[in-house]
Amino acid sequence: NAGVTQTPKFQVLKTGQSMTLQCAQDMNHNSMYWYRQDPGMGLRLIYYSASEGTTDKGEVPNGYNVSRLNKREFSLRLESAAPSQTSVYFCASSEARQYQQYFGPGTRLTVT
Amino acid sequence: GDSVTQMEGPVTLSEEAFLTINCTYTATGYPSLFWYVQYPGEGLQLLLKATKADDKGSNKGFEATYRKETTSFHLEKGSVQVSDSAVYFCALSDRGSQGNLIFGKGTKLSVKP
Repeated sequence: NAGVTQTPKFQVLKTGQSMTLQCAQDMNHNSMYWYRQDPGMGLRLIYYSASEGTTDKGEVPNGYNVSRLNKREFSLRLESAAPSQTSVYFCASSEARQYQQYFGPGTRLTVT
Repeated sequence: GDSVTQMEGPVTLSEEAFLTINCTYTATGYPSLFWYVQYPGEGLQLLLKATKADDKGSNKGFEATYRKETTSFHLEKGSVQVSDSAVYFCALSDRGSQGNLIFGKGTKLSVKP
């Protein structure tokens, strides 16, 4: 079991460029999440998907879009990157309503 | 809205010292409470959890008790090791949500030999 995998691990973008962060889980979980982690801010929820085919906004959704491609995969897209989006991004998954979330290793994104 | 407040870091201790990291919460309803740990360069992993009042979660020598009367879930360990150096996050999940977690800002622990 690989658990939750994320690609890429590191990325540098110029302002205005776009990119998609990929996340996949092999635990057959219904729910998936995208967080960003910034110094002194803890983790903040960007978007989540309670089940295949549904997505909802979290605390900080502006500037991001998501796609729940199938039960395994949940991608996060930055359409026009801004320096304020420099952060470490974590994907997580959980059984529906079980609350214990399993995290991927993260993607460190720098926008210059 | 719901929130979690945990003590500011960083916390620096010598090996074998006693550790307490304070965590208090504000929530409507009856949340489940968690401690997650993040080792350098890694994602978060669940350390322990408690789902109802007076429950004690424990793992790897760490303990935390769900105190409804003081809305607290303090993390303790009797004797820390260098390998415990990490960032610790307190979190809650309200039973009315869809499993979403609300995290504290994290407390960085450094243990010196």
